[in-house]
Amino acid sequence: GQSLEQPSEVTAVEGAIVQINCTYQTSGFYGLSWYQQHDGGAPTFLSYNALDGLEETGRFSSFLSRSDSYGYLLLQELQMKDSASYFCALGNQGGKLIFGQGTELSVKP
Amino acid sequence: DTAVSQTPKYLVTQMGNDKSIKCEQNLGHDTMYWYKQDSKKFLKIMFSYNNKELIINETVPNRFSPKSPDKAHLNLHINSLELGDSAVYFCASSQDGSPNTEAFFGQGTRLTVV
Repeated sequence: GQSLEQPSEVTAVEGAIVQINCTYQTSGFYGLSWYQQHDGGAPTFLSYNALDGLEETGRFSSFLSRSDSYGYLLLQELQMKDSASYFCALGNQGGKLIFGQGTELSVKP
Repeated sequence: DTAVSQTPKYLVTQMGNDKSIKCEQNLGHDTMYWYKQDSKKFLKIMFSYNNKELIINETVPNRFSPKSPDKAHLNLHINSLELGDSAVYFCASSQDGSPNTEAFFGQGTRLTVV
């Protein structure tokens, strides 16, 4: 089967940098994605890593190490609006996503 | 223009009833999905359709029956609703169902069974 583990909650202050880790187990690897979900909202795509290394998209970066079955999402220059749940997800054939349980990020002033 | 839209947004119903949730995407995507998010925010795939054909059925009870009249629509019908069906149901779509494609989610339908 497939499974992912991420911390249940993280707290940080505005302007800081925060890293949300994700470890996974899978027999076939097709990529690791990150999604953001605000309370009451829809999950929205942030980034995708299929190969080892860092992908940068503005204030957000995502890292993958396939040998360690590990990835992280890095959020820089935190803003209050970044308070949300962040999910890592394993991709599969057919586009099926297997999600971690989510990390609730609270950004404090 | 809403990319993936689902109706209704809220649904409160009694145990034993039958209800449907509708979903439409205007992105021209080939693949559509239903996900269930429980009270602990755990998101789990239920079904996937590619060009109106069922390709993934994640051991969902038979009371749940998806229907795709065309590739832009994927509806979910639920028979004999149970308390445990209370959750937020998200419809989603992706370009072609390949593992690296971004999924676009609808705003969700919050189903409450009383």
